[in-house]
Amino acid sequence: DSGVTQTPKHLITATGQRVTLRCSPRSGDLSVYWYQQSLDQGLQFLIHYYNGEERAKGNILERFSAQQFPDLHSELNLSSLELGDSALYFCASSPIVRTNTGELFFGEGSRLTVL
Amino acid sequence: AQSVTQLDSQVPVFEEAPVELRCNYSSSVSVYLFWYVQYPNQGLQLLLKYLSGSTLVKGINGFEAEFNKSQTSFHLRKPSVHISDTAEYFCAVSGGNFNKFYFGSGTKLNVKP
Repeated sequence: DSGVTQTPKHLITATGQRVTLRCSPRSGDLSVYWYQQSLDQGLQFLIHYYNGEERAKGNILERFSAQQFPDLHSELNLSSLELGDSALYFCASSPIVRTNTGELFFGEGSRLTVL
Repeated sequence: AQSVTQLDSQVPVFEEAPVELRCNYSSSVSVYLFWYVQYPNQGLQLLLKYLSGSTLVKGINGFEAEFNKSQTSFHLRKPSVHISDTAEYFCAVSGGNFNKFYFGSGTKLNVKP
């Protein structure tokens, strides 16, 4: 158990809909990273938040947005869903900068299926 | 910009044989390198990492990797694999501030009895 919790574990929805994925990082970790894992694209970096502020963006679509709340949990919002958005979405956390040794702690993922 | 290339998408190997999973990276700045393992229906977990110092790093479960700056490689090795090593392995690279981690496309290791 990595200590990172993601909900829901599975989600089935229709094209055009909007979903929210939630991530609770390990206790004390200030950084949250979101990744999308699909069969054809591998593990794609989406976005990184540190203590509530956006630190870095990757290949995140404009239809997707994220935020990190004061209690450090994070949400990834996916809207106007398309079939190609079907994937496993991972959240990972890491400690504060001065003690960070680069290790990411991954949750078990949220599997999104768009029909 | 940084990127990672894993040259083999699948590696079949017999139990107790040695294995090498290849990883090459590209970066214009100093990098930190990582190998993660993903078992079925689980998240990724860290096997080992190179931040600085000795270029040969040892990780969990008997794995080791060698950082080769001149060849921009970070290949993962194990002298004798077990059935339980069957999983997907990901190489990753990050810059000094850990703002982004870029992962390779993964190598599926299939250990056969």
